[in-house]
Amino acid sequence: DAGVIQSPRHEVTEMGQEVTLRCKPISGHNSLFWYRQTMMRGLELLIYFNNNVPIDDSGMPEDRFSAKMPNASFSTLKIQPSEPRDSAVYFCASTERVGGKRYFGPGTRLTVL
Amino acid sequence: GENVEQHPSTLSVQEGDSAVIKCTYSDSASNYFPWYKQELGKRPQLIIDIRSNVGEKKDQRIAVTLNKTAKHFSLHITETQPEDSAVYFCAAISGGGADGLTFGKGTHLIIQP
Repeated sequence: DAGVIQSPRHEVTEMGQEVTLRCKPISGHNSLFWYRQTMMRGLELLIYFNNNVPIDDSGMPEDRFSAKMPNASFSTLKIQPSEPRDSAVYFCASTERVGGKRYFGPGTRLTVL
Repeated sequence: GENVEQHPSTLSVQEGDSAVIKCTYSDSASNYFPWYKQELGKRPQLIIDIRSNVGEKKDQRIAVTLNKTAKHFSLHITETQPEDSAVYFCAAISGGGADGLTFGKGTHLIIQP
């Protein structure tokens, strides 16, 4: 199994641009999570899906952030418009079942200039 | 929601000695407590986890203990080695059907040769 796959691995963009991060969970996993990691705030849960349905998006910072999961094997996190304070590493994770072990992808390092 | 406190933020031990990292949580309904190890520039990796129906779990040099009454859990690493140097995160899942992990702020473990 290839594990959780994320793309791109690195993204550098200018303030105001749209950014789309992508994630492919482990095959057979029913829950998918998006996390953001910064030095100041640590690992923060942004949103998670169960069976492709958003369950809790209370961690999404503001309306500039949106996430979708159109099918069981793909999810996107979009930031529009991006701001320098969005610079962080964004991790996607998946788990086979509610309350199960979750496995992280390699992350996307986002830099907004 | 759940709140997880972790300490110390930095821990330096001599190679071969033991290291202990402690976490407390706020939601008495939390029932799953994983520990993650994150090396510089890499993803968090699950190293051990414990559920609320047991008090201790061991895996070679790593052990986790859970005290539900006091709402705290600890990671114990014995016979530390240079490759144990990393940032360690504790986490908890809130009860009530929620599935989003709440992470502690992390402990930077330094193994001195």
